[in-house]
Amino acid sequence: AQTVTQSQPEMSVQEAETVTLSCTYDTSESNYYLFWYKQPPSRQMILVIRQEAYKQQNATENRFSVNFQKAAKSFSLKISDSQLGDTAMYFCAFMMGATNKLIFGTGTLLAVQP
Amino acid sequence: DGGITQSPKYLFRKEGQNVTLSCEQNLNHDAMYWYRQDPGQGLRLIYYSQIVNDFQKGDIAEGYSVSREKKESFPLTVTSAQKNPTAFYLCASSIAGENYEQYFGPGTRLTVT
Repeated sequence: AQTVTQSQPEMSVQEAETVTLSCTYDTSESNYYLFWYKQPPSRQMILVIRQEAYKQQNATENRFSVNFQKAAKSFSLKISDSQLGDTAMYFCAFMMGATNKLIFGTGTLLAVQP
Repeated sequence: DGGITQSPKYLFRKEGQNVTLSCEQNLNHDAMYWYRQDPGQGLRLIYYSQIVNDFQKGDIAEGYSVSREKKESFPLTVTSAQKNPTAFYLCASSIAGENYEQYFGPGTRLTVT
């Protein structure tokens, strides 16, 4: 069975600084997709970024980028120039190819301090 | 505006009562999902449907039931058999097939006492 592990329950960063959130996963599949979702205090889930496992290039979306290490089964999220609006729970999620079922980690609560 | 609506935002029920949570989408998505979120845990899949009149159990389907009679609607019933129903419930939808982004509704907080 696939599992997703986020080992940092809480993190804090100063505004304008950079922070990295960790995620590891376990699978024997070769075709899969990885996602980072953000859940702000409103509790609305928002997709931040996604990565196809077959792509070697790390995905980037403005201030958000990932470090995808396929052999290590690691998928960390880097947030540059942190903003107060980045304060949220961040979930790493795994989707096996040929399905559209998401498996979520337990989340990392990120607080951006002014 | 296209999106997913869940109603109500807060729901209170007495133990032993069945309760139905509403989920409607106007994104023309074939696939819809129900997740449960508990403190300190990620989202866990309850049921999902990839097409009208068909649905599959997720990882924690016991004590829940669903129907998918219309493409736009995927209601979830929390039955009295669900041992610990108090939780935050999220509905999502997507284009059917792999790798498509799931769009989430605003959620319903169910409290059973």
